Amino acid sequence: NAGVTQTPKFRVLKTGQSMTLLCAQDMNHEYMYWYRQDPGMGLRLIHYSVGEGTTAKGEVPDGYNVSRLKKQNFLLGLESAAPSQTSVYFCASRTTGVNQPQHFGDGTRLSIL
Amino acid sequence: QQPVQSPQAVILREGEDAVINCSSSKALYSVHWYRQKHGEAPIFLMILLKGGEQKGHDKISASFNEKKQQSSLYLTASQLSYSGTYFCGTEDTGNQFYFGTGTSLTVIP
Repeated sequence: NAGVTQTPKFRVLKTGQSMTLLCAQDMNHEYMYWYRQDPGMGLRLIHYSVGEGTTAKGEVPDGYNVSRLKKQNFLLGLESAAPSQTSVYFCASRTTGVNQPQHFGDGTRLSIL
Repeated sequence: QQPVQSPQAVILREGEDAVINCSSSKALYSVHWYRQKHGEAPIFLMILLKGGEQKGHDKISASFNEKKQQSSLYLTASQLSYSGTYFCGTEDTGNQFYFGTGTSLTVIP
């Protein structure tokens, strides 16, 4: 099993450009998450989804949009990239049920110039 | 609502023990622990669901004091492979998940 796959692994953007990060999981998980990780800040939740067609805002949602059209995919969009969005982005998924462990992808390193 | 961890960083020699603490200003319904090696994804270690619960995984164990809104991770007889950043985390009643501030652990020979 591939688990959680993130695409792309690295990307450099210019300020104002847009892009979409793709997260795909093959574990039939209902819950999916997008985090950003910055030095000294740990992992902070951007958006999450508790099932196909649903999304919700996390702790730091501004400047990002998400979609969960298919159960296995969770897309994170940056409409107009800003240097403050330079970060490492992690996607995670978990099965239904209280307090289940999250399974993470390998991350996407995004730099915005 | 981000849990606070202490210490921020610790350096150990192989075989030494360490304790990492996680505390929250809000009620903790459960505590998750993850380890992340440099440049890699976080890996799940364990979940504690009940106050007073203790769990162990190899020589890594944890406790959860629900009343004090705290959890501690114990690393016994540390090995080089234990190096990494440890995160606690908790989920609120609205399915939002909050990771702690992280503790960098370095084990040296």
